[in-house]
Formats: sequence, C-alpha cells, structure tokens
Amino acid sequence: TQLLEQSPQFLSIQEGENLTVYCNSSSVFSSLQWYRQEPGEGPVLLVTVVTGGEVKKLKRLTFQFGDARKDSSLHITAAQPGDTGLYLCAGARNYGQNFVFGPGTRLSVLP
Amino acid sequence: ETGVTQTPRHLVMGMTNKKSLKCEQHLGHNAMYWYKQSAKKPLELMFVYSLEERVENNSVPSRFSPECPNSSHLFLHLHTLQPEDSALYLCASSQAYRGIAFFGQGTRLTVV
Repeated sequence: TQLLEQSPQFLSIQEGENLTVYCNSSSVFSSLQWYRQEPGEGPVLLVTVVTGGEVKKLKRLTFQFGDARKDSSLHITAAQPGDTGLYLCAGARNYGQNFVFGPGTRLSVLP
Repeated sequence: ETGVTQTPRHLVMGMTNKKSLKCEQHLGHNAMYWYKQSAKKPLELMFVYSLEERVENNSVPSRFSPECPNSSHLFLHLHTLQPEDSALYLCASSQAYRGIAFFGQGTRLTVV
C-alpha cells in the first residue's frame, strides 16, 4: 500500500485542453511538493504548499492543498506540449525529512 | 543548471566492480539525499545526511555505502551490485526541515 497515490497514472491530451491530476493519502502532511520530471533528468520543484486549503498559481498551473492536508490537486489550463512529463507529488510528515513520493502521473500533451 | 551536479551521468558496471557516484552542491544547503528511481516504482529514499547526522532506509542493501565528507559533497559507493540495482540514482539537497528544493540530473546505472 502506497502512502501517497496519484491519479491518473497516465494522461494523454491534445494541446489547448485543461486537465487536473490528483495526489491523495490517508495521512496528514506538514507540507506537500509538486515536481515535474522529464526523461533522463531529475525532478524539478514546481511548488510547495503548507497550509490546508491553500491555493497557489504558477502561470497556467494551479495547485491546491486540501483542507485536511491529506490531498492535493494540480490543474493545468490550456496545456502545451512543453507540459509533457512525469508529475510527482511528495509529502513531508511532522516537518521531518523523510519525504514520501507518489508514483507520479505521466502526462503527454500532443500538438 | 540545477545547482546540484551529479557525475557520472551514465554508468555501466559489472557485478564484481566497485564504483562511486558523486554529488556536489554549492547552494549552502545543509541536507543531502540519495534517492533511487526504478521503472514503475515511486522514488525511494536511500540515505539522508542532515546537519551532520545520517539517516538511512533500513531496506537498502549493504552493497550501497554513502559518504558525506562535508555539507557540499556526497558520494554513493557501489560494490558487488546486482542487475536489479539498475536504476536512476538521484541526489538532492535542501535546507534541513525546509523541503527538498533541488535534485541533480541523476546517474543512470546499468549493472550487467
């Protein structure tokens, strides 16, 4: 049983469409991070959310942290081929350093 | 440029070889990490060095041995690996208790 689950596992959409990916857990996290990873590269940090109910926007990306700090979503508006990659969420418990990663959502945006 | 540099980027080694992976950061961070990323599996934390303390995942085999001579450098020594150890090995750094900020580009390891 994974501590963090992400859905969908795979997503293939056309350029210009909107999408939402989810990160869910039964555990409470003190903070949650989203990363994007391209093939052959390391993950790149997109955002950190720490407050329940928090919403952060990064251009066309909107991140939300659930009120109970157990789940999060990432919404992309008007997806572009450059958004293609593996989207990973990671949670930290008790402000500790044992970050737990989800399995990721692999997004493909077709031109 | 991510601020965290890993070498080599690719490594092929036999099961009887001994090799080392190197990670370097000059971001002033005081915590460094080794992660393993295998196909179809989540990122797995192997070792953490934070504020000069070492924390390890007890499931990591002893054929992996970390070394952190100072806060800017981290090594992963490899010996008598198995084919199932083939994976992308990622180094990361952060300020302690502030979340993981930067990953290196990884070393793609293939054990033959």
